[in-house]
Amino acid sequence: NAGVTQTPKFRILKIGQSMTLQCAQDMNHNYMYWYRQDPGMGLKLIYYSVGAGITDKGEVPNGYNVSRSTTEDFPLRLELAAPSQTSVYFCASSYSGLETEAFFGQGTRLTVV
Amino acid sequence: RKEVEQDPGPFNVPEGATVAFNCTYSNSASQSFFWYRQDCRKEPKLLMSVYSSGNEDGRFTAQLNRASQYISLLIRDSKLSDSATYLCVVPAQGYQKVTFGTGTKLQVIP
Repeated sequence: NAGVTQTPKFRILKIGQSMTLQCAQDMNHNYMYWYRQDPGMGLKLIYYSVGAGITDKGEVPNGYNVSRSTTEDFPLRLELAAPSQTSVYFCASSYSGLETEAFFGQGTRLTVV
Repeated sequence: RKEVEQDPGPFNVPEGATVAFNCTYSNSASQSFFWYRQDCRKEPKLLMSVYSSGNEDGRFTAQLNRASQYISLLIRDSKLSDSATYLCVVPAQGYQKVTFGTGTKLQVIP
């Protein structure tokens, strides 16, 4: 099992550009999450999904969109990138949101210039 | 009160010392708790679960105090390799999501 795979690992965007951060898991987990982590700070939830076709906003959803067409994939879309979106983005998955361990991808380091 | 609160530290301790971190939570209905470890520039990884009766794994002990709504992590005989940020995690009832604390940074000094 690969676990949670995120691509790309690094990216530099210009202000106003768009991109999609990819996340895939092969553990058949229902729950998937996107977090961002600013330098020296904790994890902030952007969006989460409890199953294919179901997504919901977290703490900091503005400027982002997600979709969940399959159990395996949970891409995060950045529209009109801004410097405030410079961060490390982590995708995670868990079998159940309440009771079980969350597994994380290795992160995507995004810089918006 | 925030859902999950941790002292950000840093806690600077010498090798061999015992150190303890607390994490307070606001949702009294929470049933499951976890401690994660995050190394610098890496993803968080599960360190241990926190059970009602407490949980011990080698040098690490996790405990739950429901009355005061906090969980604790005790590290005995600290090693240099224990230097990391420790995140407490409290699943949020009713929101079907996992809430991470901001983390406590530990630096073990030779």
